[in-house]
Amino acid sequence: DIQMTQSPSSVSASVGDRVTITCRASQDINAWLAWYQQKPGKAPQVLIYAASSLLSGVPSRFSGSQSGTEFNLTISGLQPEDFATYYCQQAHTFPRTFGGGTTVEIK
Amino acid sequence: QVQIHQWGAGLLKPSETLSLTCNVSGGSFTGYYWNWIRQAPGKGLEWIGEINHSGTTNYNPSLKSRVTMSLDTSRDHFSLKLTSVTVADTAVYYCVRGRAIYFQNWGQGTLVSVSS
Repeated sequence: DIQMTQSPSSVSASVGDRVTITCRASQDINAWLAWYQQKPGKAPQVLIYAASSLLSGVPSRFSGSQSGTEFNLTISGLQPEDFATYYCQQAHTFPRTFGGGTTVEIK
Repeated sequence: QVQIHQWGAGLLKPSETLSLTCNVSGGSFTGYYWNWIRQAPGKGLEWIGEINHSGTTNYNPSLKSRVTMSLDTSRDHFSLKLTSVTVADTAVYYCVRGRAIYFQNWGQGTLVSVSS
């Protein structure tokens, strides 16, 4: 299985901050990576697919980038509704696998 | 606007069979992949498997021997069966409509608890 390693596991930030979450794949997955946001008690929602393509309706403060097997999700100008847990997921190989999650907490 | 509603037994004893069903409204089965994903309490996400509109399946090898997924396009339903459950199968189970490269529409989730 492809291992997806996310860091940090949690981050404390303030409204307006820029936050970057990293996901590293254990092998080449091309750009087949998606990012999800999950709020407590709710199902995850997809934000970004193909490493950097924003889903329709997702605010432009969210962005994704890639360098080799390392992927970043950046939130530029954190908003109160962005405090949540974020997961990466590879779609290159079966079984599909997720990162362990990063919780963005209010400082 | 696609809506996914899921249901099934929420409390099982060890060795029983988990059975969940999802109904899909407002969307087509064709061109999508129908997934099950679970999340143990306080833990991350685990992909269980997928079935496409032709009935082709891909299962997580860690669960493959116990999993069966099926699709009933005439009733807009897709289902999951997981046999011989243990306490380790306690989780919220989500049914999810997906594209090839991301999981797009999620059901509300069903908490399945396994306890003797």
